[in-house]
Amino acid sequence: QSALTQPASVSGSPGQSITISCTGTSSDVGGYNYVSWYQHHPDKAPKLMIFEVNNRPSGVSNRFSGSKSGNTASLTISGLQAEDEANYYCSSYTSTNILWVFGGGTQLTVL
Amino acid sequence: QITLKESGPTLVKPTQTLTLTCTFSGFSLSTSGVGVGWIRQPPGKALEWLALIYWDGDKRYSPSLETRLTITKDTSKNQVVLKMSNMDPVDTATYYCAHKSVYGDYLDYWGQGTLVTVSS
Repeated sequence: QSALTQPASVSGSPGQSITISCTGTSSDVGGYNYVSWYQHHPDKAPKLMIFEVNNRPSGVSNRFSGSKSGNTASLTISGLQAEDEANYYCSSYTSTNILWVFGGGTQLTVL
Repeated sequence: QITLKESGPTLVKPTQTLTLTCTFSGFSLSTSGVGVGWIRQPPGKALEWLALIYWDGDKRYSPSLETRLTITKDTSKNQVVLKMSNMDPVDTATYYCAHKSVYGDYLDYWGQGTLVTVSS
């Protein structure tokens, strides 16, 4: 069982928007603004898409956005494109001795 | 451009010690605020943070694995080494190393990962 809870899968058609949720506790997601989101294509390095809840690294499309409410963070991808099909993981810094916890991953399928 | 690459054995026997090396470029592990961490993902399961070493030599370990893990750095070689003792088939996983951002507590660059299978 993952420390953070994500839906196993989401899907959408090209051009649509989807949102992936990530639920934790007050010791991680709810307690810090250090939620990150990663895009992972098979056999490639995970790529940071969002850091500190809602910040995009340089070079990441503005179609990707993040938010947080209480113990739940969300990743929204607008204007879905075929290249967005991947596994998405959320992560949070924690107040415990475990520095980072991760979600189980959400497989995004672009129909 | 920051890059990291993991290397090590693809197969280890139960009870053996696994040694993984993370070779990186594009940053120095002597720069204040920098860290390099290890994360693993068993097949079909979630990512799990294992260890982190900071620029100043401070080390942090996952409490559940702390007795089995050792992380070290060689700044001159741009390498971080992770040792995990007493390997078991449940330790079969893809092992990743990652760069901790200077600007905050998040991992911003990851290696491609290396699959380690534990089997006799």
